[in-house]
Amino acid sequence: DGGITQSPKYLFRKEGQNVTLSCEQNLNHDAMYWYRQDPGQGLRLIYYSQIVNDFQKGDIAEGYSVSREKKESFPLTVTSAQKNPTAFYLCASSSVTNTEAFFGQGTRLTVV
Amino acid sequence: KNQVEQSPQSLIILEGKNCTLQCNYTVSPFSNLRWYKQDTGRGPVSLTIMTFSENTKSNGRYTATLDADTKQSSLHITASQLSDSASYICVVLPGGYNKLIFGAGTRLAVHP
Repeated sequence: DGGITQSPKYLFRKEGQNVTLSCEQNLNHDAMYWYRQDPGQGLRLIYYSQIVNDFQKGDIAEGYSVSREKKESFPLTVTSAQKNPTAFYLCASSSVTNTEAFFGQGTRLTVV
Repeated sequence: KNQVEQSPQSLIILEGKNCTLQCNYTVSPFSNLRWYKQDTGRGPVSLTIMTFSENTKSNGRYTATLDADTKQSSLHITASQLSDSASYICVVLPGGYNKLIFGAGTRLAVHP
C-alpha cells in the first residue's frame, strides 16, 4: 500500500541481542509510526515522529528506541530491555495534513 | 482522550451473507476516517476514506457510512466471500498535527 517499505519481512534473533527494523518511505510524508501487533490483538503504538529529528513515545515505548535523521527513514531498534519482543511490527506514514496514511507490509520478529 | 472503539471484536458469518462492522470515536478535531483490511501477517490496506462532509462511500462490496454528529461509522460488507476473512481496522485521523488513532479491529471469519 503506497511507497512504504519494511525490511526484513522475517527476522530471528537470540535473546539479549539488539535488533533494528528498517522502515523507508518515498511518499514525502512528514509523520511516521511504529506499531506492534501480537497474535489476535490490535495495533499498539510504540513511537511516532512528526518531523525530522523529533519523535514521541507511544503507549508501549519501553525497551524500544528510534531515530529520525532523514524524512524518508524511521528505524526501530528493539533492545535487550524489551521483555517480550517476539511480535509483528508495522510501520506507517502519513501526510502532515493526515489526508493519507499508508502501512508497510510488516516485519515478523522472533526472538529465541 | 481521543479513542476509537470497534464492535464486535470478532464475527463469524457464512459465505454470501452480509455483515456490518461498527466504529465509534471520540476524536477532536476530526480530519477523516479510514477503514483498513488486514490479512493475517500482512500490513493493513485502505478500503475507504471519509471526510467530515461525506456520509457514504463505496468500494466494490464494501460500503462505509459516517455520521459526524454521533461520531459513528460503519462498514457494510455485501455478499461476503471467503477472501473477506481478515481484521478490519477503523482509523481516525485527527485534524492538525496529531497522531493517528486506531481501533482494536474486528476479526471477521467467513465460512463456506
